[in-house]
Amino acid sequence: QVHLVESGGNVVQPGRSLRLSCVASGFTFSIHAMHWVRQAPGKGLEWVAVTSSDGSNRQYADSVKGRFTISRDNSKKTLYLQMNSLRVEDTAVYHCARSPSGYEWYGMDVWGQGTTVTVSS
Amino acid sequence: QSALTQPASVSGSPGQSISISCTGTSSDVGSHNLVSWYQQHPGKAPQLMIYMDTKRPSGVSNRFSGSKSGDTASLTISGLQVEDEADYYCCSYGGSNTLVFGGGTKLTVL
Repeated sequence: QVHLVESGGNVVQPGRSLRLSCVASGFTFSIHAMHWVRQAPGKGLEWVAVTSSDGSNRQYADSVKGRFTISRDNSKKTLYLQMNSLRVEDTAVYHCARSPSGYEWYGMDVWGQGTTVTVSS
Repeated sequence: QSALTQPASVSGSPGQSISISCTGTSSDVGSHNLVSWYQQHPGKAPQLMIYMDTKRPSGVSNRFSGSKSGDTASLTISGLQVEDEADYYCCSYGGSNTLVFGGGTKLTVL
């Protein structure tokens, strides 16, 4: 079965860093573009970042550009999100999600259950 | 990267058909065939229902269909069922290598 499992969420103070991980199973991870999408409490979905299948192309939402870094290790079938200079408004459930192909912009056909990041003093 | 515009809520009775609109601009919804739709039940991960404006993934009921006219995309659900009650989000390529979501629509099946 196709699965994505996120981890790494925690409660952190503003200005601190956190790294999220997403382990894939049940499909050929290395041929799919991968996304991070977040959802603040009681709010809608917000796209965060995408990486191409080989990790060479990475794009970000303006709200996280310069603070967050998406990366992947295809040998470990793992997607990462390094989050620096965290702000209260970054508080959300963070989902990793798979693109149906190597093309980044078709949307997301497989989603993980998410990991919760709370930024609070 | 402005959010796409969706109605906050829609409702219908079992067996009826409803449509949810998603309005963007000529820079996003109107310029690419890259609108997708997601269903999200409370506490669950989103599920892809439509991609590339009109395509339905395998396993998704044919009661769900997508369409687009100009800068507005629509999701239509026919033969409403109680289990269709959920939040629905549209998403589009936003230009400049970004994706943009709509604010979400809460569907109530009366």
